[in-house]
Amino acid sequence: DAKTTQPPSMDCAEGRAANLPCNHSTISGNEYVYWYRQIHSQGPQYIIHGLKNNETNEMASLIITEDRKSSTLILPHATLRDTAVYYCIVRGTGANSKLTFGKGITLSVRP
Amino acid sequence: EAEVAQSPRYKITEKSQAVAFWCDPISGHATLYWYRQILGQGPELLVQFQDESVVDDSQLPKDRFSAERLKGVDSTLKIQPAELGDSAMYLCASSFQASGSLRETQYFGPGTRLLVL
Repeated sequence: DAKTTQPPSMDCAEGRAANLPCNHSTISGNEYVYWYRQIHSQGPQYIIHGLKNNETNEMASLIITEDRKSSTLILPHATLRDTAVYYCIVRGTGANSKLTFGKGITLSVRP
Repeated sequence: EAEVAQSPRYKITEKSQAVAFWCDPISGHATLYWYRQILGQGPELLVQFQDESVVDDSQLPKDRFSAERLKGVDSTLKIQPAELGDSAMYLCASSFQASGSLRETQYFGPGTRLLVL
């Protein structure tokens, strides 16, 4: 599975959109981009995943560039409860594929 | 909403002692994972079950760690003997879909925080 690169931290104001970047320049054609987040002292929580089309659900939007070498997770209206570590993970399909977590990006939402 | 249950939530033990963690996945979830998370890092997969069978335990330190899921439902992770470096959060996750399937979503429990003194 391809590796991902995320900045270590970022912050945003409450109520504003939070745009979390992720680079995955070695992604291959059958690998998906997954996002999980981990609020302090809790287990990780699935947010969204996609292959090449942009995806949206009740939690967030995922924008994947046309060349698929990078993506952005968008939280449209960040709240204080969105303060967490966000993990961008590239994963293929098949029984041998795994969720390989890096250090993630720490998002701090300020009042 | 159904959740993955783990116990205990916190465990303090002395090195060389045995320790065990328990996980009850969401009902109907055939795939179960154990992860270890060292402070400041992301979770690392230790072992993966499909029903009662181990699918992947390549990252499990088998000299001291063992995991079982005898009836394909709940699971136990054991460490014997515990070492100082085992201090970490131990997370259990489960999924309905088979590992690596297109729509697999893993649901994580709250974890067991282990401190080895």
